[in-house]
Amino acid sequence: DVKVTQSSRYLVKRTGEKVFLECVQDMDHENMFWYRQDPGLGLRLIYFSYDVKMKEKGDIPEGYSVSREKKERFSLILESASTNQTSMYLCASRQGELFFGEGSRLTVL
Amino acid sequence: GEDVEQSLFLSVREGDSSVINCTYTDSSSTYLYWYKQEPGAGLQLLTYIFSNMDMKQDQRLTVLLNKKDKHLSLRIADTQTGDSAIYFCAESFSGNTPLVFGKGTRLSVIA
Repeated sequence: DVKVTQSSRYLVKRTGEKVFLECVQDMDHENMFWYRQDPGLGLRLIYFSYDVKMKEKGDIPEGYSVSREKKERFSLILESASTNQTSMYLCASRQGELFFGEGSRLTVL
Repeated sequence: GEDVEQSLFLSVREGDSSVINCTYTDSSSTYLYWYKQEPGAGLQLLTYIFSNMDMKQDQRLTVLLNKKDKHLSLRIADTQTGDSAIYFCAESFSGNTPLVFGKGTRLSVIA
């Protein structure tokens, strides 16, 4: 059974903290994505990666960075968390069909 | 840029059919998708259609595509309370590029 695993379901961080959101897929997919989901705004693409060490900006990359050191792992980094980054973060991987993780709900106080 | 539009809310009675509509702007969209999100969960692929098709049926689900009008619809027959969820329409250019999502339609099923 295919699986995209996000390491943390719920996180609470303080403004200014560095935050790592980890995502691992076991399907040997080359393409991985980070979206954020906000009520009334749907899913917005933050960053994506077509291969190891490759990254592409999505629609809203400001305030975020990513790391793809291994094919199965795609990390989203908030260098200095702010309250407007409180959101649900969804990781996905794709080779044809797009598979999502369960999401990481981040609250920044 | 690419845009996907769908209405935000739909309410139907149990046993009726639900029709969720979606329009998209990118005429080069090749793949069109419907995802379902239940409360507290990630998104689950319901069905998809290629742009060279105009209809796809899968049990209670029927997808209709009008490529000329860039209009996609999802019909759920005999809607049940378990169908209550948010339904997202999405499109992509190829099998590897990012999907562009609509804002989601919240379907409420009244018993």
